[in-house]
Amino acid sequence: DADVTQTPRNRITKTGKRIMLECSQTKGHDRMYWYRQDPGLGLRLIYYSFDVKDINKGEISDGYSVSRQAQAKFSLSLESAIPNQTALYFCATGTGAQETQYFGPGTRLLVL
Amino acid sequence: SQQGEEDPQALSIQEGENATMNCSYKTSINNLQWYRQNSGRGLVHLILIRSNEREKHSGRLRVTLDTSKKSSSLLITASRAADTASYFCATALNQAGTALIFGKGTTLSVSS
Repeated sequence: DADVTQTPRNRITKTGKRIMLECSQTKGHDRMYWYRQDPGLGLRLIYYSFDVKDINKGEISDGYSVSRQAQAKFSLSLESAIPNQTALYFCATGTGAQETQYFGPGTRLLVL
Repeated sequence: SQQGEEDPQALSIQEGENATMNCSYKTSINNLQWYRQNSGRGLVHLILIRSNEREKHSGRLRVTLDTSKKSSSLLITASRAADTASYFCATALNQAGTALIFGKGTTLSVSS
């Protein structure tokens, strides 16, 4: 089984809808991250969490919120989806803020 | 340049040739990492080099780090078609509590 899983893998939604992307990990890591990837822009950090009680905004947090329900679970919500949030979203985990990160398979989101 | 900027953006070579891609950064780092991404999939960690190291090897990969020039290079020797992917550098700043910063990537195409 994969160490970092993301659900759903693909999602189509409409403008204005609230959606949640979920991430689970079995690696036992304290640190979890959400990124979005757009063609030609690389990965941009949305939110990160160093432990269950710690949530930090990343480079592009506007329009997003997160919840760290447990050490193993980190969810990303789009409060009111808009078309420019169409992207590939990745969850990642890590043992330390500056150490190796382990990525999930990604969620491809299309906002119409 | 931004923190963690790869060069070239795209690289096309023949099987058996060596591939070199570079990463430049602006701010003092704790370590620099290289990741690989096959089309549409999650990133996979390749190698981490710390600021007090100058060169590291892993199989056909060789990474160098020149902190005086704020640059790193990733060399893939004897490239194979399976090396076709995007390669990203990620920098860990010398500041506690910060997350990795990813560049925009180099897309490598290896033809047989």
